[in-house]
Amino acid sequence: TQLLEQSPQFLSIQEGENLTVYCNSSSVFSSLQWYRQEPGEGPVLLVTVVTGGEVKKLKRLTFQFGDARKDSSLHITAAQPGDTGLYLCAGLPGAGSYQLTFGKGTKLSVIP
Amino acid sequence: ETGVTQTPRHLVMGMTNKKSLKCEQHLGHNAMYWYKQSAKKPLELMFVYSLEERVENNSVPSRFSPECPNSSHLFLHLHTLQPEDSALYLCASSQDTVSNEQFFGPGTRLTVL
Repeated sequence: TQLLEQSPQFLSIQEGENLTVYCNSSSVFSSLQWYRQEPGEGPVLLVTVVTGGEVKKLKRLTFQFGDARKDSSLHITAAQPGDTGLYLCAGLPGAGSYQLTFGKGTKLSVIP
Repeated sequence: ETGVTQTPRHLVMGMTNKKSLKCEQHLGHNAMYWYKQSAKKPLELMFVYSLEERVENNSVPSRFSPECPNSSHLFLHLHTLQPEDSALYLCASSQDTVSNEQFFGPGTRLTVL
């Protein structure tokens, strides 16, 4: 069974601070996704990374896929209250697979 | 608006009740999914449908019964549930089971008394 460990589990920061959350596994994934889930809503896909070492940027969010495709990080610059939510990583074990393996998530609170 | 809607948004039921959750997608997708999201646990894939055919049943107890009458609608029929079944039930859809981009609905918050 492939597992994804996310850290930290909870994070509370002041508006304007930078932060990094992590998603780690001992297994290799063909691709990895990051979602944000707000209270009372379903997860919304932010990005998919597929190549080892790949870096993708989405405004103030920077996503990196590890060289060995076993881990990923999400860095947020100058966090804003609108960034508050549950950040989930999910991995696909092989190309063409639909069985996403999810981590438990990092719950981020950005205080104005 | 994600294009995937779920009703009801909240449901409280007793262990002897029978209820159904409904999911509808307006994206023209061919694959639909049911997930369970419990506190302190990762999202768990329950069922997968592709073109109305069930392609995955991840050892889900028989008290959960899915139904996919067409590619736009997905139901989860519930009967004789247990309190530990209380969770957020999420529906998702994707273009097909090969596409790795899934679109989630807002979920149904289920409480079993």
